Formats: sequence, structure tokens, C-alpha cells
Amino acid sequence: GEDVEQSLFLSVREGDSSVINCTYTDSSSTYLYWYKQEPGAGLQLLTYIFSNMDMKQDQRLTVLLNKKDKHLSLRIADTQTGDSAIYFCAGSNDYKLSFGAGTTVTVRA
Amino acid sequence: DVKVTQSSRYLVKRTGEKVFLECVQDMDHENMFWYRQDPGLGLRLIYFSYDVKMKEKGDIPEGYSVSREKKERFSLILESASTNQTSMYLCASTEPGQGDYGYTFGSGTRLTVV
Repeated sequence: GEDVEQSLFLSVREGDSSVINCTYTDSSSTYLYWYKQEPGAGLQLLTYIFSNMDMKQDQRLTVLLNKKDKHLSLRIADTQTGDSAIYFCAGSNDYKLSFGAGTTVTVRA
Repeated sequence: DVKVTQSSRYLVKRTGEKVFLECVQDMDHENMFWYRQDPGLGLRLIYFSYDVKMKEKGDIPEGYSVSREKKERFSLILESASTNQTSMYLCASTEPGQGDYGYTFGSGTRLTVV
């Protein structure tokens, strides 16, 4: 399966931008995803990017994909306290997803 | 609103017990999955199913089995629970070819084996 790596922790001040990074090994992934998990909850799909795209923007979220370096990032503009959560990147292989370990984002006032 | 429902949010079981975790989806999805989530390890795939009565092993199937007798229901079975199976278990479903929708996850079952 795909190996997906991401840093475990990120602390950001309210109102600043957050950038969460992810690297993956399988270049054949059709889609790459970002999921958000709030405390005590399941995973919620935040956004996704098709593998032939370089960038996708969706309101405060910007996804960048560098296929050459197999690097995916999620930028959250104007980070709010409600953005505190664990963020997972995931790559698809057929219909199976492989997840990174998750980045815990803490937003401080 | 479409959803994946896991029958229990919290479960405490004794070592050696047989444990059933139930998952039901109302989206008529073909594919269903069981993951376990542990801090620092992310989500690891235990088993998945792409059709009724079909199942395939994921990355960590040891100590688990599954059952899919009906399309909407996918059960995870711990044959003889052990303390190292204490974890958060997440069920998910998806329809083949719907990559832009990703998976839909249940809220999770936090299992503690004592």
C-alpha cells in the first residue's frame, strides 16, 4: 500500500495561516484527500485534489500538489479556533485509502 | 442526510471475550471498510468489502474477522479480545468511482479491552 507521512503537530496563532504538509510514495494515486477529525468524532472530508491538478482552492482552503516531489499541502487561511483538530492526508489506490498519521493543529489566541 | 452509523460509541470488554462492532450505511454503497486509529499511527486498514459476502484483508487483519451478509451492514469481529486491541475503530463506505466524494466515516467506536 501507499506510505503517507506527515508531521504530527502544528501550533498556529488565531488569524494566521496554517500549512500542513504531507508526502506520499505512490504516484499512481488518482485522488489525494484531506480529512479533518474533531475531538470524539469520525473523519470529515475537507477537500480533495485530482492527481492531474496542481492546485485547488475552496474558500479558506488551498491544496497544493507537487507530483514530482510527491508532496501535498493544505493551507488554511485566517485560522480560527474551530480549526483545531487532527488533519489527515490520504491517497487512493483503487478504492482503498492510505492515511498519514495525522497532524494535530492547535490554534492559540 | 446520508450517514454511516456505528452502533456503539464506547465499549468496554474483557480479555478473551468475542466482540462484535456493527456498522450500517444508508447510501447503498458497495464498498465498506474497517480501520483502527491509534495515536501517532493514523488509520490502519483492517478489512474491507466490495460486495455482499465478499471480504478482503487489509494491512492488519490478525485477530479480526468480518461479516457482510447484507449490503448495508458490515460487522467487525474480535474473536478473542486482547488488550492490544484497545483502540478507536472507524467504519467507512464509498461507491467505486466516486473519488471526489472520498469516504463517508462513522463517528467511531472507542473499544477498551481490560
